[in-house]
Amino acid sequence: GENVEQHPSTLSVQEGDSAVIKCTYSDSASNYFPWYKQELGKGPQLIIDIRSNVGEKKDQRIAVTLNKTAKHFSLHITETQPEDSAVYFCAALFTTDSWGKLQFGAGTQVVVTP
Amino acid sequence: NAGVTQTPKFQVLKTGQSMTLQCAQDMNHNSMYWYRQDPGMGLRLIYYSASEGTTDKGEVPNGYNVSRLNKREFSLRLESAAPSQTSVYFCAGGGGGYTFGSGTRLTVV
Repeated sequence: GENVEQHPSTLSVQEGDSAVIKCTYSDSASNYFPWYKQELGKGPQLIIDIRSNVGEKKDQRIAVTLNKTAKHFSLHITETQPEDSAVYFCAALFTTDSWGKLQFGAGTQVVVTP
Repeated sequence: NAGVTQTPKFQVLKTGQSMTLQCAQDMNHNSMYWYRQDPGMGLRLIYYSASEGTTDKGEVPNGYNVSRLNKREFSLRLESAAPSQTSVYFCAGGGGGYTFGSGTRLTVV
């Protein structure tokens, strides 16, 4: 069935270091993979996404990579800052007929210490 | 342009009481969703609406009902609240990259 696994569940990094979060998905037909950042007391916010025809996408300090063969994708945050502390969710779009819905990973709590 | 608006932001209910959580979007999305978020459980889909006039159950629909009133509005109703429904509820809209509301924090005592 539809499943997205996300690791690690918690990640503590020193300010300035890099952070990497990894996700795997089950449906080889998935073609869209967004990442969300959720700050304390707020709703998840889309920060970056990648489609299956692209292997990597960057936006300033964040990047996503996708390996369709292995069915896994990753979020990379470079030069981490305290404001990067949040819960991050990966997701994969599962489609049935002409419609699809996102399946979310369980989330990663990222703590950036000064 | 507010995106997805949820009301109320906070609510305390007694066991057995009913209430409706409201959600409205101004992004012209066909699809809308209701999630609940509990500590350590991530986001769990309660109900969704692929388009105006249709609704379907998600992973955890028991104890809830929904109404897709029109394209903009998608409400979630708890007919008889239970302590197990204490959670943070998020509404979202979108066909791929969802836009989430800011959430309703519900406590059932």
